[in-house]
Amino acid sequence: AQTVTQSQPEMSVQEAETVTLSCTYDTSESDYYLFWYKQPPSRQMILVIRQEAYKQQNATENRFSVNFQKAAKSFSLKISDSQLGDAAMYFCALTNRDDKIIFGKGTRLHILP
Amino acid sequence: NAGVMQNPRHLVRRRGQEARLRCSPMKGHSHVYWYRQLPEEGLKFMVYLQKENIIDESGMPKERFSAEFPKEGPSILRIQQVVRGDSAAYFCASSNRNYGYTFGSGTRLTVV
Repeated sequence: AQTVTQSQPEMSVQEAETVTLSCTYDTSESDYYLFWYKQPPSRQMILVIRQEAYKQQNATENRFSVNFQKAAKSFSLKISDSQLGDAAMYFCALTNRDDKIIFGKGTRLHILP
Repeated sequence: NAGVMQNPRHLVRRRGQEARLRCSPMKGHSHVYWYRQLPEEGLKFMVYLQKENIIDESGMPKERFSAEFPKEGPSILRIQQVVRGDSAAYFCASSNRNYGYTFGSGTRLTVV
């Protein structure tokens, strides 16, 4: 069975600072994708970043980057220069060839002005 | 391209009534997925459909829940004889099988 674990239910960061959200996962597949989704109060699920398991290079999207440690099955999200608009629930997710997306329980991120 | 359209945005049903949730996938997407989100929880997979076929319904409750994706028209998630425990946000996502998923804005179902 595939699992995704986010061990930090809530985190806070000062505006303009950097924060890292943790995620570990388990899968027996060798071909899979990992995602971080953002869910603001509007409830819309917004894709933040995506990582293909076969790529060693960590994905980066502007202020968002990941630290993908395949052997350790770890996939953390780093948000640099945090902004008030970054406040949201963040979900780590995993999918493989059968296309089901498995989500973690989420981390609620607060941005302190 | 309007993205994934879900309606209604909010739905209130009395216990015992039926709830019908609709999802129109993105143009060009032929794969539809339904997820349920309970308060303060992540999204839980329910069912994966292609046109006229259910591919994986392993997350779907065995009773009262059904889903379809007809040749024409939106995908429908149907919940019969709703109970208070069915209250949740229901999300639809579509993809074109290159792992590009797009989510709708969800339908919040409240059972009173």
